[in-house]
Amino acid sequence: GAGVSQSPRYKVAKRGQDVALRCDPISGHVSLFWYQQALGQGPEFLTYFQNEAQLDKSGLPSDRFFAERPEGSVSTLKIQRTQQEDSAVYLCASSLDWADSTSYEQYFGPGTRLTVT
Amino acid sequence: SQELEQSPQSLIVQEGKNLTINCTSSKTLYGLYWYKQKYGEGLIFLMMLQKGGEEKSHEKITAKLDEKKQQSSLHITASQPSHAGIYLCGADLLFNSGGGADGLTFGKGTHLIIQP
Repeated sequence: GAGVSQSPRYKVAKRGQDVALRCDPISGHVSLFWYQQALGQGPEFLTYFQNEAQLDKSGLPSDRFFAERPEGSVSTLKIQRTQQEDSAVYLCASSLDWADSTSYEQYFGPGTRLTVT
Repeated sequence: SQELEQSPQSLIVQEGKNLTINCTSSKTLYGLYWYKQKYGEGLIFLMMLQKGGEEKSHEKITAKLDEKKQQSSLHITASQPSHAGIYLCGADLLFNSGGGADGLTFGKGTHLIIQP
């Protein structure tokens, strides 16, 4: 079946602009995660959804970052008033049911590469 | 400080040679994941280890989790150009951090180059 998809794949934003990044998880996957990956680093956790509930947003770097998953499927990560330090690859991952068992692996999308100029 | 340390940071190996990548944690690991990433792409799941002493293999890649569950190694036998990429270890550190992040914590990755 189809994997995790993300759009756009590349986004260039001028400093101060708002951006919205979309994630389509694997159908039927209850859990959804957002990660931020800076150049040369491993992914860093941003936030986690179980269905439509955002259970953990401890990794969001500032209140300019906002994520939602209103119907428990597609998720959007929004960054307001983008700054240069927001430039990174934003990865989305989904898992069958992370709360039930962390033995369910996380499947990652291709990422959105955000460049803030 | 980095919660998961990977070594080496980069590795250049001649095609056909064996290699090992290590992932070390200062805390007990409850679930250790190995992923591979190619430049500009997402992460591809390789293997997950949960039990101390556990070992799993897939094609020419073998991963082990030591008995104390604080270190894992990824071993590639007879490396091929298709093995090139960035190898990332990730761990669920939730149980160790008393309510920390629910996602995976990753190392910085090991960049593997295969020379023909």
